[in-house]
Amino acid sequence: GAGVSQSPSNKVTEKGKDVELRCDPISGHTALYWYRQRLGQGLEFLIYFQGNSAPDKSGLPSDRFSAERTGESVSTLTIQRTQQEDSAVYLCASSLVSWGAAEAFFGQGTRLTVV
Amino acid sequence: QKEVEQDPGPLSVPEGAIVSLNCTYSNSAFQYFMWYRQYSRKGPELLMYTYSSGNKEDGRFTAQVDKSSKYISLFIRDSQPSDSATYLCAMSGDTGGFKTIFGAGTRLFVKA
Repeated sequence: GAGVSQSPSNKVTEKGKDVELRCDPISGHTALYWYRQRLGQGLEFLIYFQGNSAPDKSGLPSDRFSAERTGESVSTLTIQRTQQEDSAVYLCASSLVSWGAAEAFFGQGTRLTVV
Repeated sequence: QKEVEQDPGPLSVPEGAIVSLNCTYSNSAFQYFMWYRQYSRKGPELLMYTYSSGNKEDGRFTAQVDKSSKYISLFIRDSQPSDSATYLCAMSGDTGGFKTIFGAGTRLFVKA
């Protein structure tokens, strides 16, 4: 596709359920980022993948959060036993490389609502 | 201490005002400094970037970097209601050992 694609665009789930969010980066982009954005708030870094290097998981808020990426393609962010405070927009971004002025292209996000 | 600090605002200004948005950072190895704009319910988009110190101008927007103070700014002249958005600073080094670090974003409202 032409841009970063995220699915689903909206997800409503019950507290305690697991959810899986998907990100399709731009083809050829080696760097992939996940961010969380609560209503009216800024970006909160979650996890970063760069090529085949070990991911930087320093932003994951708890062990309920995990993410995977297969090579330089699709990434999934999994939230187990969802809580109401997990309600937010989850944004994925990819870039050609991770450094310099390489432009990060963002998807439209997945709006997660935990009820 | 976060690597990049940015006041979340909100910042509310009248139409036509000059807006100053700022970020401070702690990593002296950052060389590339970027500004992204995010409209409501959209993903952020790159607005402009600057390499090392100095100024860069693009229409009504001017990006300024002061590496000695570890301080960057984005100025918007003749602000318009359409400039109402969240502005995020971002920065990176120039080798493969870096990832791009984003500020939390400043919400700007320009009132007609």
